[in-house]
Amino acid sequence: GAGVSQSPSNKVTEKGKDVELRCDPISGHTALYWYRQSLGQGLEFLIYFQGNSAPDKSGLPSDRFSAERTGGSVSTLTIQRTQQEDSAVYLCASSFVFSGESSYNSPLHFGNGTRLTVT
Amino acid sequence: KQEVTQIPAALSVPEGENLVLNCSFTDSAIYNLQWFRQDPGKGLTSLLLIQSSQREQTSGRLNASLDKSSGRSTLYIAASQPGDSATYLCAVNGLTFGKGTHLIIQP
Repeated sequence: GAGVSQSPSNKVTEKGKDVELRCDPISGHTALYWYRQSLGQGLEFLIYFQGNSAPDKSGLPSDRFSAERTGGSVSTLTIQRTQQEDSAVYLCASSFVFSGESSYNSPLHFGNGTRLTVT
Repeated sequence: KQEVTQIPAALSVPEGENLVLNCSFTDSAIYNLQWFRQDPGKGLTSLLLIQSSQREQTSGRLNASLDKSSGRSTLYIAASQPGDSATYLCAVNGLTFGKGTHLIIQP
């Protein structure tokens, strides 16, 4: 597609339920990133993929969070047993190459995010 | 651990003024620094990316500079317009973000 697509745009779920958030990156982008943005907080980096591999999962807030990427394209972020503190906007971005290890001119392109509300 | 700070947190200026937004970072060993704008309810839009070997980048009325040794970057906006109103964020290596500067341009 022309840009990064995230779905759903909004998700309301009950505490304790599992949720899946989807990100469809720009075609040909090898790197994909997940972030969380909470009200009054900055953008918190969660995880990145190079191809289908996630070399560093230390940014995930807890073991209830997991992510995968298949076919070097679509990625899903799964939150199990959601808690109220998980309420936030989850943003996905992609770039041609991984920005964290390269000075290559490879800007990040962001989706519009998924607003997650846990009641 | 890299930390990124943006000052001021908020700024309101009359239309037509030139302005400077500041970004500082604690670890000078960076690959790149990017400036983004975020409109309410939207994702981030990339404005400028400065590679570690570069000192500045320009796009239209925007100019971003990078001084790695002092851990600073600035975003200069010339002849501001109401459409420039947004939150501006800087990011080091695409991984560590500042909390942003909320900019309002008064018509």
